[in-house]
Amino acid sequence: ETGVTQSPTHLIKTRGQQVTLRCSSQSGHNTVSWYQQALGQGPQFIFQYYREEENGRGNFPPRFSGLQFPNYSSELNVNALELDDSALYLCASSLAGGLNNEQFFGPGTRLTVL
Amino acid sequence: DQQVKQNSPSLSVQEGRISILNCDYTNSMFDYFLWYKKYPAEGPTFLISISSIKDKNEDGRFTVFLNKSAKHLSLHIVPSQPGDSAVYFCAASVGGNTPLVFGKGTRLSVIA
Repeated sequence: ETGVTQSPTHLIKTRGQQVTLRCSSQSGHNTVSWYQQALGQGPQFIFQYYREEENGRGNFPPRFSGLQFPNYSSELNVNALELDDSALYLCASSLAGGLNNEQFFGPGTRLTVL
Repeated sequence: DQQVKQNSPSLSVQEGRISILNCDYTNSMFDYFLWYKKYPAEGPTFLISISSIKDKNEDGRFTVFLNKSAKHLSLHIVPSQPGDSAVYFCAASVGGNTPLVFGKGTRLSVIA
């Protein structure tokens, strides 16, 4: 069973640039959620994708957007980067319709905006 | 407004003793609760969960207790081991396949 993978591991960008982060979900999972973890905070929900459609969104501006592909992998895109976007971005996969709400996380992408 | 609160940023425990990590929540609609463990440079790892229809769930050294009337849950680790040293996050959700709401985490240090 392949776990959740994310790429790249680290990324440095400057203000105003755009970034794309990638996630491959765990084998058998059909739902991907993205979270932002700022320093000293818990992960904050950005959005969730199920069957290639956005299935819920947290309190993040529209410059945060995403995609889910037929193989259930996903991308997170952030436009017009701001300094406060510096954080660890976590992808989590899960199986919709399961009896519980266990989400399995990847190792994250550390984004630094200068 | 923080819906899930972990009021202790850190906790130190001797090896072999019990570690108790606490979590409070405000949203009475939460019906599923999870604990995650996080090592530096890794993503959170699922540890144990509990549904609101139960008040206790046990898995080896880990037990989670839920007190719905007090909107409080706790994670007990017995006996604590040095490898348990990590940041522990409490999370809650409303229904299946819904976003997890996390607390800020508690850093547990188990001293040999």
